[in-house]
Amino acid sequence: DAKTTQPNSMESNEEEPVHLPCNHSTISGTDYIHWYRQLPSQGPEYVIHGLTSNVNNRMASLAIAEDRKSSTLILHRATLRDAAVYYCILRWGNTGKLIFGQGTTLQVKP
Amino acid sequence: DAGVTQSPTHLIKTRGQQVTLRCSPKSGHDTVSWYQQALGQGPQFIFQYYEEEERQRGNFPDRFSGHQFPNYSSELNVNALLLGDSALYLCASSYNSVFTVTEAFFGQGTRLTVV
Repeated sequence: DAKTTQPNSMESNEEEPVHLPCNHSTISGTDYIHWYRQLPSQGPEYVIHGLTSNVNNRMASLAIAEDRKSSTLILHRATLRDAAVYYCILRWGNTGKLIFGQGTTLQVKP
Repeated sequence: DAGVTQSPTHLIKTRGQQVTLRCSPKSGHDTVSWYQQALGQGPQFIFQYYEEEERQRGNFPDRFSGHQFPNYSSELNVNALLLGDSALYLCASSYNSVFTVTEAFFGQGTRLTVV
């Protein structure tokens, strides 16, 4: 299974943008890059996914490096409710299992 | 839409006992996956069920088994419980589309404590 590497923790100020990095140097051509987040005492929640091109949705943006060996999740304006553990996951195709790492714990300061 | 529902929410069992956890997937979803999350760790994939069959399995012993019913709901069974089985057990459902990547929806989990 391809692995991802994320910083253990990051801090942000409320209403400022947050860039969460992820390295995945062993990514294969059929691996999609998924991001999930887990708020305290809840199950993980889907954030965004992409294959090669940058992606935007109502929650966040995903910037994927041209060689696909790294990606960055962008929260455009962090709120206190965005404080969570963010997981960067490589998923094979549409049916592959989700392999979670340790994730990045994001703290948002008022 | 109730989303993914799991029962029970909390459970305390004794070492050596057996436990069954239940999951109802989100409406329209046909695939159910189970994950184990120890305190302070990311979820670990146990197995995935589709069309009532185990399609993929993670690195878990045979004490962990499952089942999927015709209505797509699923059960996770753990036999001969060990103290190390204490964890949050998460169920995730998704739709097996051949045309597009679909997201997984997770339940709130069942907190299992083995004493």
